[in-house]
Amino acid sequence: GAGVSQSPSNKVTEKGKDVELRCDPISGHTALYWYRQSLGQGLEFLIYFQGNSAPDKSGLPSDRFSAERTGGSVSTLTIQRTQQEDSAVYLCASSLEYPSGGAIEQFFGPGTRLTVL
Amino acid sequence: AQKVTQAQTEISVVEKEDVTLDCVYETRDTTYYLFWYKQPPSGELVFLIRRNSFDEQNEISGRYSWNFQKSTSSFNFTITASQVVDSAVYFCALKDNQGGKLIFGQGTELSVKP
Repeated sequence: GAGVSQSPSNKVTEKGKDVELRCDPISGHTALYWYRQSLGQGLEFLIYFQGNSAPDKSGLPSDRFSAERTGGSVSTLTIQRTQQEDSAVYLCASSLEYPSGGAIEQFFGPGTRLTVL
Repeated sequence: AQKVTQAQTEISVVEKEDVTLDCVYETRDTTYYLFWYKQPPSGELVFLIRRNSFDEQNEISGRYSWNFQKSTSSFNFTITASQVVDSAVYFCALKDNQGGKLIFGQGTELSVKP
């Protein structure tokens, strides 16, 4: 079956420009996550969507970062006025969630490599 | 605070050697979930295993085995008879029970040489 897909796979942009990164989760997965992987910081959580609940935005590094999830499926991560320190691989993951809690493994997409010149 | 520590940054072994990747975690929760992921050179994170805190049985899957010890807060991963295809970065992670996010260790880069 189809896994998590992300687009674009690579994005090069100039400092100060806005970028949008897209994630298509596995069909039927109610939870969607964004992480960032950079050399100095390892794997960092950014934001988490679960069903109709308010998203957990606690990992977003600044107000230049925002994300939305439309129709409980596709998600877009937007970075405004990009800075060089935003250069990283942005990973999206999705999972099922138990209504009562618990944990199910997250399945990751291939990532978007963002380079800010 | 919740934290995952993978003290080994890089490990290099020769094919057919056994290798153990260490993972130590910190959490105040009595129920928690631990994971291992593999990130091969292609870059995509691949799920390997999930372990619940109330299940301390060790698990074996082919050449892979995991040793979960609550007494030492460790969840170590052993590859038996390593192969070149095992070369990758391996991440241990803890699920944050206040939300859904995974808290990752810094990763261990394993290099298996022929």
